[in-house]
Amino acid sequence: DIQMTQSPSSLSASVGDRVTITCRASQSINSYLNWYQQKPGKAPKLLIYGASVLQSGVPSRFSGSGSGTDFTLTISSLQPEDFATYYCQQSYSSWITFGQGTRLEIK
Amino acid sequence: QVQLVQSGAEVKKPGASVKISCKASGSFFTTYYIHWVRQAPGQGLEWMGLIYPRGDKTLYAQKFQGRVTVTSDTSTSTVYMELSSLRSEDTAVYYCAGAPRSTPDVWFDPWGQGTLVTVSS
Repeated sequence: DIQMTQSPSSLSASVGDRVTITCRASQSINSYLNWYQQKPGKAPKLLIYGASVLQSGVPSRFSGSGSGTDFTLTISSLQPEDFATYYCQQSYSSWITFGQGTRLEIK
Repeated sequence: QVQLVQSGAEVKKPGASVKISCKASGSFFTTYYIHWVRQAPGQGLEWMGLIYPRGDKTLYAQKFQGRVTVTSDTSTSTVYMELSSLRSEDTAVYYCAGAPRSTPDVWFDPWGQGTLVTVSS
């Protein structure tokens, strides 16, 4: 299976901060990389697909970049509703795998 | 708007099986694969497998091979996931999620609301 490693595992930040979360694949996955946001007790929500395409309805402060093995999710100016856990997911392989998650907390 | 609605919470004893349903609205079955993802308490997301409901194509994660079966009933637009030989480590929230067929990339949207399965003696 393709291993997905996110860093950091947790992150404290303030409203208005710019935040970057990294996801690294154990082999090249081209741009088959998607990002999700999950809040406690809720199903994950798709933010970005194809490494950089913003899902409809997702605020433009979210952006994604990368290809091959290294990817980033950036939130340009944190809002109170952005404090959540974020997951990356690869679909290069038919056997889907997720990163372990990055918990974004209020400083 | 496509929606996925899952069945309610279950409590099972070790060794038993559980069968969870995921009902789709709209013309979902012709255009989406349905995947199953689980999340143990306080843990991350774990992909279990998928089905293309109209063609009955299935694919399972190696970890669950032999214990998981995903089926579909096109007459009721419902997909089922059955997990057998339950153990305490299977305690988790189980989600169904749709992935569009129209692209080789696989992203999950929409998601069901989740079904909590508790395995306890």
